[in-house]
Amino acid sequence: AQSVTQPDIHITVSEGASLELRCNYSYGATPYLFWYVQSPGQGLQLLLKYFSGDTLVQGIKGFEAEFKRSQSSFNLRKPSVHWSDAAEYFCAVGAGTASKLTFGTGTRLQVTL
Amino acid sequence: SAVISQKPSRDICQRGTSLTIQCQVDSQVTMMFWYRQQPGQSLTLIATANQGSEATYESGFVIDKFPISRPNLTFSTLTVSNMSPEDSSIYLCSVERGDNVLTFGAGSRLTVL
Repeated sequence: AQSVTQPDIHITVSEGASLELRCNYSYGATPYLFWYVQSPGQGLQLLLKYFSGDTLVQGIKGFEAEFKRSQSSFNLRKPSVHWSDAAEYFCAVGAGTASKLTFGTGTRLQVTL
Repeated sequence: SAVISQKPSRDICQRGTSLTIQCQVDSQVTMMFWYRQQPGQSLTLIATANQGSEATYESGFVIDKFPISRPNLTFSTLTVSNMSPEDSSIYLCSVERGDNVLTFGAGSRLTVL
């Protein structure tokens, strides 16, 4: 069965600092990987996705993620965090169909000014 | 991508009552998904709703507790029946936008007293 681990429940960074959110997955084949962001009172918004090809994927809002098969990881990065990035971030793994996504437990990002 | 409207956005309910959540999509979609997000936890798929057929429930979720309707290709409802405090969660409607990516509504935050 597929699974996702986000080891950091809560992260605090200063505005302007770099950010890396960790995501490790377990899946038997090549996974479909996603990062979503959930702002307070909002639904989940897709930041980026990886299906195949270049292992470094660019997303919206200046985010990027790198797929590392050897480490079963798909970490999310941003070089300079803005206060508006404060939200909850979810990593998800799928089997190629949207109906079978498994989400991680999320990482809450706090940004200090 | 599809725009999803959910109603109500939040509600406070008494134990033993039922609440119906509505999900309206601005375009026709084949499958609609209902997720539950319990406090501090990840998203869990409740069921998949196809128009014209019975919803498909995931392990741990039953139709008597979470009846779903899907009368047409743009609308679905989820009812949470005989509620208890353990049902306090955010309930999210989602659809696949055509490229194995899920789009989510803003969610319905339910508090059961």
